[in-house]
Amino acid sequence: KQEVTQIPAALSVPEGENLVLNCSFTDSAIYNLQWFRQDPGKGLTSLLLIQSSQREQTSGRLNASLDKSSGRSTLYIAASQPGDSATYLCAAPNSGGYQKVTFGTGTKLQVIP
Amino acid sequence: NAGVTQTPKFRILKIGQSMTLQCAQDMNHNYMYWYRQDPGMGLKLIYYSVGAGITDKGEVPNGYNVSRSTTEDFPLRLELAAPSQTSVYFCASSYSGYEKLFFGSGTQLSVL
Repeated sequence: KQEVTQIPAALSVPEGENLVLNCSFTDSAIYNLQWFRQDPGKGLTSLLLIQSSQREQTSGRLNASLDKSSGRSTLYIAASQPGDSATYLCAAPNSGGYQKVTFGTGTKLQVIP
Repeated sequence: NAGVTQTPKFRILKIGQSMTLQCAQDMNHNYMYWYRQDPGMGLKLIYYSVGAGITDKGEVPNGYNVSRSTTEDFPLRLELAAPSQTSVYFCASSYSGYEKLFFGSGTQLSVL
């Protein structure tokens, strides 16, 4: 059974700092991995989806990497801004397909002006 | 383009009452999912559907039922509500099951 862990649970950084959020998963036979952002009281917004054949995926100031062999993915946020404050979740597929994914419990990020 | 629309946004139920959470998507997605999110517990899959007329159980299906009569709609039915069903419920969809998941804004449900 897939297990997804995100450490730390919470992170507070000053504005402008570059930061890395971590995601680890136990079953490395995955076909992709997704990173999401969740604002308080809102739904999840997909940020990046990395296919198993890719090592990195970039969108603006966000860069996600995937290392299947070590069971790890990282989300790099460059030049953080107060508007980046949110909870970031990663999700990895379970075996059996149909995109039944397991979500991590998230890292709550606060960027201080 | 509305994406995934969930109604209602908030609801308070009494123990033993029933209700239906509505979910509709206008992206012609084949795959639809219902999750519940409890504080500190992450999201748990309740039911999912890979197309009209096809549904299957997820990780935590007890106390819930679903139907998928059209591609667009995937309602979640709560029968005999219990306090353990107090949670935030999210509907999600994707085109192929291997692509990005799109989420609705959620329904916050309290059972008292």
